[in-house]
Amino acid sequence: GENVEQHPSTLSVQEGDSAVIKCTYSDSASNYFPWYKQELGKRPQLIIDIRSNVGEKKDQRIAVTLNKTAKHFSLHITETQPEDSAVYFCAASISEYGNKLVFGAGTILRVKS
Amino acid sequence: DAGVTQSPTHLIKTRGQQVTLRCSPISGHKSVSWYQQVLGQGPQFIFQYYEKEERGRGNFPDRFSARQFPNYSSELNVNALLLGDSALYLCASSERTVNQPQHFGDGTRLSIL
Repeated sequence: GENVEQHPSTLSVQEGDSAVIKCTYSDSASNYFPWYKQELGKRPQLIIDIRSNVGEKKDQRIAVTLNKTAKHFSLHITETQPEDSAVYFCAASISEYGNKLVFGAGTILRVKS
Repeated sequence: DAGVTQSPTHLIKTRGQQVTLRCSPISGHKSVSWYQQVLGQGPQFIFQYYEKEERGRGNFPDRFSARQFPNYSSELNVNALLLGDSALYLCASSERTVNQPQHFGDGTRLSIL
């Protein structure tokens, strides 16, 4: 079945710096890749997603890139702020399996002010 | 607009008991998925329902079952509870069934004593 690996497990950056989180998926049939932000004790919140027919997508300070050949996708956060501190999860799904999301293990992002 | 709502927020049970968790999707969303999130890990897919039919099942034992009602709300049932069932149970809704953005509720924190 599909497997998603996520790196790094923890990431500390200085306020204003950029943060990059990388994920690798195993099944080349995966075609939808969302990213979620989860603050302590709260629900996972969808922050951006990308489909396999797109190489890059941006939303203000957040961007996601997809490399289908290498089977990896990345989250880029620019000009980080303390409120960006949270756990970030990548996920992948395959249309044949409906809405089943396979999640990475998560990255704890700490933004130091 | 109301987001995904789940009840109860917290639940304490003992081994061998049975539990029912409830989820109401975002208005207009016809697909509901259930996930289990153990502390420190990403959510794991349990079930997806769309138009009252099961559309996907994760690698969970038959003690786990679910259903979806005509108003698209859903219930997750777990029988013969084990200590290892202690987790946050998340419900996510989406408009349709395939590769759609999924929006999560706050979850039900289930503790097994």
